[in-house]
Amino acid sequence: AQTVTQSQPEMSVQEAETVTLSCTYDTSESDYYLFWYKQPPSRQMILVIRQEAYKQQNATENRFSVNFQKAAKSFSLKISDSQLGDAAMYFCAYMVSGYSGGGADGLTFGKGTHLIIQP
Amino acid sequence: EAQVTQNPRYLITVTGKKLTVTCSQNMNHEYMSWYRQDPGLGLRQIYYSMNVEVTDKGDVPEGYKVSRKEKRNFPLILESPSPNQTSLYFCASKGLRAGGYDEQFFGPGTRLTVL
Repeated sequence: AQTVTQSQPEMSVQEAETVTLSCTYDTSESDYYLFWYKQPPSRQMILVIRQEAYKQQNATENRFSVNFQKAAKSFSLKISDSQLGDAAMYFCAYMVSGYSGGGADGLTFGKGTHLIIQP
Repeated sequence: EAQVTQNPRYLITVTGKKLTVTCSQNMNHEYMSWYRQDPGLGLRQIYYSMNVEVTDKGDVPEGYKVSRKEKRNFPLILESPSPNQTSLYFCASKGLRAGGYDEQFFGPGTRLTVL
């Protein structure tokens, strides 16, 4: 079974600085997706960024980028120019690629990292 | 607007009183699932459904039931709630395409407290 590990329960960063959230995962699959979700105080689950395992290029979405190291099974999220609105819980998640016909079509989440933005 | 809705959003109940949390999606998605979120544990899958009348257990199914009689609806049933089921619950849905990516859409969450 796949597992996702976020080793930083909480991180703090000054506004406008850069912060990196760590995530490692374990899987025997070769084709899968990795995600970072943001959960603000409203509790809404917001997809921040997605990475396909077969792509070597790291995904980028505006101020958010990932460092995907497939061999090391590492998937970190970098937030540049941190803003107060970035304060939230961030979850790393994994999903097997394609239609497997089973529970693997769902997401496996890490335990989350609480990001605090200091003004 | 494409969305997943859940009701109620907040619920306080007592041990043993049966309850149902409804979930509905308007995107004609085949796949629907329920997750619970607990502090320090992240989100864990309770049950999922691949299509109408097809359901299966996720990682933490004990104490829960589901049904999928219509494609758009996937209610979560707690026959005899207990305090350890106090949690934040999310319903999610997505399409199913062989070899393709389908984004998972989440509902707004239901905060359940069992006294």
